[in-house]
Amino acid sequence: AQTVTQSQPEMSVQEAETVTLSCTYDTSESDYYLFWYKQPPSRQMILVIRQEAYKQQNATENRFSVNFQKAAKSFSLKISDSQLGDAAMYFCAYRSLLRDNYGQNFVFGPGTRLSVLP
Amino acid sequence: NAGVTQTPKFQVLKTGQSMTLQCAQDMNHNSMYWYRQDPGMGLRLIYYSASEGTTDKGEVPNGYNVSRLNKREFSLRLESAAPSQTSVYFCASDGTYEQYFGPGTRLTVT
Repeated sequence: AQTVTQSQPEMSVQEAETVTLSCTYDTSESDYYLFWYKQPPSRQMILVIRQEAYKQQNATENRFSVNFQKAAKSFSLKISDSQLGDAAMYFCAYRSLLRDNYGQNFVFGPGTRLSVLP
Repeated sequence: NAGVTQTPKFQVLKTGQSMTLQCAQDMNHNSMYWYRQDPGMGLRLIYYSASEGTTDKGEVPNGYNVSRLNKREFSLRLESAAPSQTSVYFCASDGTYEQYFGPGTRLTVT
């Protein structure tokens, strides 16, 4: 079974600075998806960014980018020019593409709580 | 387009009481899920439904039952609530890539 680890329970960053959240995962599969979800105090789960494992190019969405190291099974999220609205819990997630694993194809890490300091 | 909706948003139960959490999606997704979220543990899968008419246990199914009423709706029932079921519950449905989540239900069992 796949596992997702986020080794930083809490992080903080100064407004306008850059922060990197870490995520590692364990899998024997060669093709999969990786995600970062943001959960603000409203509790709503919001997709931040997606990475397909077969793509070598790192995904980017505005101020959010990832560093995907497939061999190292590492998937970090970089937030540039941090804003107060970035304060949230961030979850790293793995999605298997195996059909016979279909029901349990999503695995989430324990989350990293990010604080943004004014 | 409402996406995934859940009711209620908050609920307080006494030990032994029962309740049903409702979930509906309007995106024509086949697969739907129920998760619980506890501090430091991320989201853990309770039950899922790969398609209308099928349901299967996830990682933490004890104390819960589910019903996939139709393609849109997937409900979660607590027959006899216990304090260990105090948590935030999320319903989700499977898109082409990511999962789409409802707003969550905060349940407290006293």
